[in-house]
Amino acid sequence: QVQLVESGGDVVQPGRSLRLSCAASGFTFSSYAMHWVRQAPGKGLEWVSFLWYDGSHETYSDSVKGRFTISRDNFKNTVYLQMNSLRAEDTAVYFCAGDPPSSGFAFHIWGQGTRVTVSS
Amino acid sequence: QSVLTQPPSASGTPGQRVTISCSGSSSNIGSQTVNWYQQFPGTAPQLLISLSNHRPSGVPDRFSGSKSGTSASLAISGLQSEDEADYYCAAWDVSLNVVVFGGGTKLTVL
Repeated sequence: QVQLVESGGDVVQPGRSLRLSCAASGFTFSSYAMHWVRQAPGKGLEWVSFLWYDGSHETYSDSVKGRFTISRDNFKNTVYLQMNSLRAEDTAVYFCAGDPPSSGFAFHIWGQGTRVTVSS
Repeated sequence: QSVLTQPPSASGTPGQRVTISCSGSSSNIGSQTVNWYQQFPGTAPQLLISLSNHRPSGVPDRFSGSKSGTSASLAISGLQSEDEADYYCAAWDVSLNVVVFGGGTKLTVL
């Protein structure tokens, strides 16, 4: 069955780091671009980052550029989000999403989300 | 302030047809395809419409998407109570090199 499962969310203090993981199954992970999207409590969706299917290209939103790094392991069918220098405004549920070839950046597959809380 | 502009709320009665608008610019909707997502409280979003007007497998044909110039619309015909959810539009922005979302529209079925 097609599935994305995130893990790694936690409560952390401002300035600390956290790494999120997203494990894929049931589809050809190595053909999909992968994205991270977050949703702060009571707010809308905010795109965070994406990584090309082969890891050759990545982009970030201005709000996380220089602090977050996306990576993937196509042998482990997993995408990661390394989050450094965390701020209170990074508090959100983080979703990973899969974007198949020629889909026009449409997120066909979503994980259930993992919650990150940044608080002292 | 979202790059794509949606009305914060919309409503309709069962059986009605409602539309949700999404306004952007030449660097996103004007030159790229638009995707729509449906999200129920406490759950992950789901793709509703891709490539501006394509329904993924399993999406009822009551849902349809269209695009004209720098605006897009999601139409829901034969409104049902289970359609009550938040709806988001999104597109790639070629100037910002990011995916941009609308602020979301909360649909209420009266």
